Amino acid sequence: EAGVAQSPRYKIIEKRQSVAFWCNPISGHATLYWYQQILGQGPKLLIQFQNNGVVDDSQLPKDRFSAERLKGVDSTLKIQPAKLEDSAVYLCASSLTLGRITDTQYFGPGTRLTVL
Amino acid sequence: DAKTTQPTSMDCAEGRAANLPCNHSTISGNEYVYWYRQIHSQGPQYIIHGLKNNETNEMASLIITEDRKSSTLILPHATLRDTAVYYCIVRVDNTDKLIFGTGTRLQVFP
Repeated sequence: EAGVAQSPRYKIIEKRQSVAFWCNPISGHATLYWYQQILGQGPKLLIQFQNNGVVDDSQLPKDRFSAERLKGVDSTLKIQPAKLEDSAVYLCASSLTLGRITDTQYFGPGTRLTVL
Repeated sequence: DAKTTQPTSMDCAEGRAANLPCNHSTISGNEYVYWYRQIHSQGPQYIIHGLKNNETNEMASLIITEDRKSSTLILPHATLRDTAVYYCIVRVDNTDKLIFGTGTRLQVFP
């Protein structure tokens, strides 16, 4: 079974530029998550989708971050414009269904963003 | 905010058991304890979870105290590949939120 795919693996941009990250979840997984992991910290949830609808985006800085999952499969996370403090690893995860305690989240390898 | 407390780092000799403690003194009756680990440059990986009974799978064992205020993850025979950051997470029933703390950095040495 293929895992969660993310691209690119690394990205370096200058502040005020825009950047987009792509995620392809495990086939059949209805729920998709984007996390931000700053160096030395644990991952922090940014947004959660159930199919193509947003379940939780309370931690997403909506003035500069946006995310979509138009067809309920792939997802894109965008930052526009980037700030220095956005330097982090952006992790995508997926799980089979929403709210089932036995469903685990499977994580992709992440995209490491460096903002100069 | 993370609802768990873990030591910052631990060492373990290869082949020995690694016992990773976690305190979750404010845990509620319907909250599960989950363990994930993150190997360098990879995404977190699920290890095990439990509610009140001890659990064992092919990767590890989870021992939860009777009052549920603490737990221990046991890797019975640690290998060098078990070197990682281990996260103990309290997950509320019927929610998908995983609130990660800073975890325990386990270093397995030869």
